[in-house]
Amino acid sequence: EAGVTQSPTHLIKTRGQQATLRCSPISGHTSVYWYQQALGLGLQFLLWYDEGEERNRGNFPPRFSGRQFPNYSSELNVNALELEDSALYLCASRTTGSNQPQHFGDGTRLSIL
Amino acid sequence: AQSVTQPDIHITVSEGASLELRCNYSYGATPYLFWYVQSPGQGLQLLLKYFSGDTLVQGIKGFEAEFKRSQSSFNLRKPSVHWSDAAEYFCAVALDFGGGTRLMVKP
Repeated sequence: EAGVTQSPTHLIKTRGQQATLRCSPISGHTSVYWYQQALGLGLQFLLWYDEGEERNRGNFPPRFSGRQFPNYSSELNVNALELEDSALYLCASRTTGSNQPQHFGDGTRLSIL
Repeated sequence: AQSVTQPDIHITVSEGASLELRCNYSYGATPYLFWYVQSPGQGLQLLLKYFSGDTLVQGIKGFEAEFKRSQSSFNLRKPSVHWSDAAEYFCAVALDFGGGTRLMVKP
C-alpha cells in the first residue's frame, strides 16, 4: 500500500509570506496529524483532523491552520511566516481506534529566509 | 498531566554492543506505547507497539521493548547494534512523544 505522502519536499519562503503544505494519508485512514519538528525541539503537535473536522490543536498561534478534505487529504497553512517557523513539518495518518499507531510521511522542509 | 520522558538526549555505543534506550511516562489510563525511529531527513517509522498482554514485545530490525507498569517505563533494547541503527528514536504514549534520543554508533 502507498504510504503517507507529503508535498512539496522542500519549500523556501521569506518572512511575512504564506506557506501551504499538503498531505495524503494512507488509503482507509481518516485521521491526519500535523507535527512541527524544529532543530533540537523534538516533535511538537500542531493539529489533528478526523472526518473533516479539527479535533485538537497544539500550542501554536492561529496563523497555523489547516483543513481536511472529503478524501481525507489535508493542508497545513502557515500565514505571516516568521524565521522560527523554519522546521520539518511531518504529517501522520491513522485509522480509527486509539490503539493504532501513526504512520508518518517524510515531511516538508520549510525554510524561511 | 500526560508526559513522556526520554532522559538521554544522546547515546553513543560501539558497533556490536548492546543498547538500551530509556522511556518513562506519566499517564492516567492503560497506555498504548510505541517506539519510532527517524533516519536523517525522513519521517518516523514504527519499530514496535504495546497495547496489552506480554510485557516484552518484539519489533522490526531486531529491537524489543519491555513494559514495566511499576516503573512507568517502556525501554527499548537491542542485543547487538549495527552501524545502520544510528538514528533518532522516539518513544510515544498514545499521541504524546518524548523528546527523542539520538543514537550514534562507533565503528
